[in-house]
Amino acid sequence: AQSVAQPEDQVNVAEGNPLTVKCTYSVSGNPYLFWYVQYPNRGLQFLLKYITGDNLVKGSYGFEAEFNKSQTSFHLKKPSALVSDSALYFCAVRDDTGGGNKLTFGTGTQLKVEL
Amino acid sequence: NAGVTQTPKFQVLKTGQSMTLQCAQDMNHEYMSWYRQDPGMGLRLIHYSVGAGITDQGEVPNGYNVSRSTTEDFPLRLLSAAPSQTSVYFCASSYSPGRNYEQYFGPGTRLTVT
Repeated sequence: AQSVAQPEDQVNVAEGNPLTVKCTYSVSGNPYLFWYVQYPNRGLQFLLKYITGDNLVKGSYGFEAEFNKSQTSFHLKKPSALVSDSALYFCAVRDDTGGGNKLTFGTGTQLKVEL
Repeated sequence: NAGVTQTPKFQVLKTGQSMTLQCAQDMNHEYMSWYRQDPGMGLRLIHYSVGAGITDQGEVPNGYNVSRSTTEDFPLRLLSAAPSQTSVYFCASSYSPGRNYEQYFGPGTRLTVT
């Protein structure tokens, strides 16, 4: 079975400071990892994904994520946070051993960027 | 492209009523799925389909039915609504069978069962 943990319900950061939203995962085979963002009263939007290759993945809106196989982590980062980054962030995983295209989501981390 | 569309945006039902949540996509995606989002629980998979005529259960299928007669449409039916089904429902689609494809989400349907 695959699972995802987002240990922080909320992350607060000042505008201009770097931000990190944490994610750890558990899968049977090799992981496919995704980050999505949800703005209030909206559906989820894709940010970035790790499939294979470089451990540092760059995505939309200046976000990036670092895949660490030994720590089974896929933390989302941004060098300089903006107030407009305030939203709910979800990490998701599926593995390559079967299950079609089923994604397992974490419980979400609310990011609040303050002036 | 309109992407993934969902109707209605909001719905209030009484316990025991039935209804269908509509989902359509115009990207010719083979894979479609339904999730429910509840506070503190993330998104949980209800049902999914890997192509027209093929559906399967997800993590929380009880109380819901689906069918997939066309590539474009994937309706979700609530057979006899219960207060526990109060939630926000999202439909999503992606290319299949490649597992490295991201999913595209609709705007959601907020359902309240009284």
